[in-house]
Amino acid sequence: GQQVMQIPQYQHVQEGEDFTTYCNSSTTLSNIQWYKQRPGGHPVFLIQLVKSGEVKKQKRLTFQFGEAKKNSSLHITATQTTDVGTYFCAGRGSGTYKYIFGTGTRLKVLA
Amino acid sequence: SAVISQKPSRDICQRGTSLTIQCQVDSQVTMMFWYRQQPGQSLTLIATANQGSEATYESGFVIDKFPISRPNLTFSTLTVSNMSPEDSSIYLCSVTHLAREGLNEQFFGPGTRLTVL
Repeated sequence: GQQVMQIPQYQHVQEGEDFTTYCNSSTTLSNIQWYKQRPGGHPVFLIQLVKSGEVKKQKRLTFQFGEAKKNSSLHITATQTTDVGTYFCAGRGSGTYKYIFGTGTRLKVLA
Repeated sequence: SAVISQKPSRDICQRGTSLTIQCQVDSQVTMMFWYRQQPGQSLTLIATANQGSEATYESGFVIDKFPISRPNLTFSTLTVSNMSPEDSSIYLCSVTHLAREGLNEQFFGPGTRLTVL
């Protein structure tokens, strides 16, 4: 079945440093979503990418969808303590309505 | 958007018993899903709750263990039956609208934290 892996599993950065998490699917995806889960909270939708090679920005966050639609990345510029949490990608295959969540990357930002 | 409530928010149960978790949405939604998330882990899809018909279960999850109901477009229940300590987890309800073509972000409930002794 479809598997979605993320690296790294954990990342500790100093406030102000950049952060990137990578998401890789075992199968080609129809689209991919990104979610953020704060400690003790529930996942909150960030963005959806659909097109091959698509790049979207939200303030300090940049999202990319790979050309082959099997991988994606989330880059945060100049991290802040409010960026702390676990970032999940979630991929949807063709012909299905459900999303498979990635393994997640837990980000800790040191002030 | 959608506002989702779950009941109970947490519970401690004895092994062999069953617990029913409720999920209520403030608007009619197309899809409702149930996930399990163990501490520090990712989300695993248990099933899709189908309105007026049997739920669609993922590999490794069966109806006898996790019966699901969805009597209308705003409400669903998940029962964790004959519980064992391995069922200790956070159970999350999520919903999505499919009204807008291509965009089907999921909205998650606050979760139910279950501990089985």
